Formats: sequence, C-alpha cells, structure tokens
Amino acid sequence: DAGVTQSPTHLIKTRGQQVTLRCSPKSGHDTVSWYQQALGQGPQFIFQYYEEEERQRGNFPDRFSGHQFPNYSSELNVNALLLGDSALYLCASRFGFGGLEQYFGPGTRLTVT
Amino acid sequence: EDKVVQSPLSLVVHEGDTVTLNCSYEVTNFRSLLWYKQEKKAPTFLFMLTSSGIEKKSGRLSSILDKKELFSILNITATQTGDSAVYLCALNTGNQFYFGTGTSLTVIP
Repeated sequence: DAGVTQSPTHLIKTRGQQVTLRCSPKSGHDTVSWYQQALGQGPQFIFQYYEEEERQRGNFPDRFSGHQFPNYSSELNVNALLLGDSALYLCASRFGFGGLEQYFGPGTRLTVT
Repeated sequence: EDKVVQSPLSLVVHEGDTVTLNCSYEVTNFRSLLWYKQEKKAPTFLFMLTSSGIEKKSGRLSSILDKKELFSILNITATQTGDSAVYLCALNTGNQFYFGTGTSLTVIP
C-alpha cells in the first residue's frame, strides 16, 4: 500500500525565485492538503484540494497556489520566494473531503537564501 | 477562533517513566482529534478519536478524549529512547485540520 510521497526531498532557492513541490496521495485517497511547518512550530494549513478544486484555504498569501490533477496528485507553487518561506512543506491526504483520518508524506525541506 | 493548545511544550524523562501529554481545544465544528508522532520529518499517525471516554491503545501508548471538557491526553508507559519525538495533536473540523505546536519529549537512557 503506497503511502503519501513527495518530491523533491530538499530544495535550495534564492529570494524572488519560484518553486514547485509535488505530492502523490496515499492509495485510495482523493483529498490533498498542504502544510507549512516552521522550526519548532506545528504544521500550518495552506490549502486543501478535492475534485481538482481548492476547497479550503488557510491564512497564506496569493503567492502560494496549487493544483490537483485527475489522478489526485497535487502541486504546490510558491512565487516570489521570501526568506521566511524557508520551512518544511508537508503534504497530507485523506479519503473524501470530510475524511476523519489524514496521513502525511515525508515532506520537502525548502531553504530560501 | 478554532485553536489547539498542547502542554507541556517540552518534557525530559528517564527510560521507564510514564508520561502524559495534554491537548486542549476550542473548535466550532468537531469531527475528530488526531495524535501524531514527528521524529525527523513526516508526522506519523498514532490515533484518531471521535467519541468521549473510549480509550484507544497501541502497545505502550494510549489516548482518550473528553468532549465535554474539550481535551485529550496521550499516555506513554515504560518510555524508551525511541519514544523521543515531538507529539502533535490535530483537530479535524471537516474543512481542515488545526495543529498544536506540539510537545517535545526527550527520553534519557
């Protein structure tokens, strides 16, 4: 049973650049959420995709955008990177928009210099 | 405003000790409460709780929910060094999951 996968594992970017992170949900799951986790903090909700649409969004600027594909995989795009965007980006999946359990991928560590 | 508060923020114990981690919450629409263990990167799922008073157990770990007093506890008995991690509590409101800042547990040999 394939779990949630994310790529790349690590990424180093320069301020002002753009980045795309990728996520494949756990087998059987159709809802994908993205989180940003700064050091020493809990994960902060960015947005959630279900049926290829953004269904819910946290308190993040429009520089953060995403997409969900017909196979349920998802991308997170961040434009005009700031130093403060350096964090661990986690993808999580669940079955159904209101699914009770959620499973995480290994995360992408983004460093902005 | 929906929020999750975990306590203590950090804890250092010796192997064999028993620990209790706390999670209190305020949410407008409760669907489930989840506990995760985070070591290096990805939080790994431990428990999901939906009903008050029903204990979930997995080996030395157990958890219970009190929906009247709006809190949950995670107990770890006979702690081992491998239990050292950050333990996260998350509330599912249906639309999204709200996380606490976590409790950092260090188990000393």
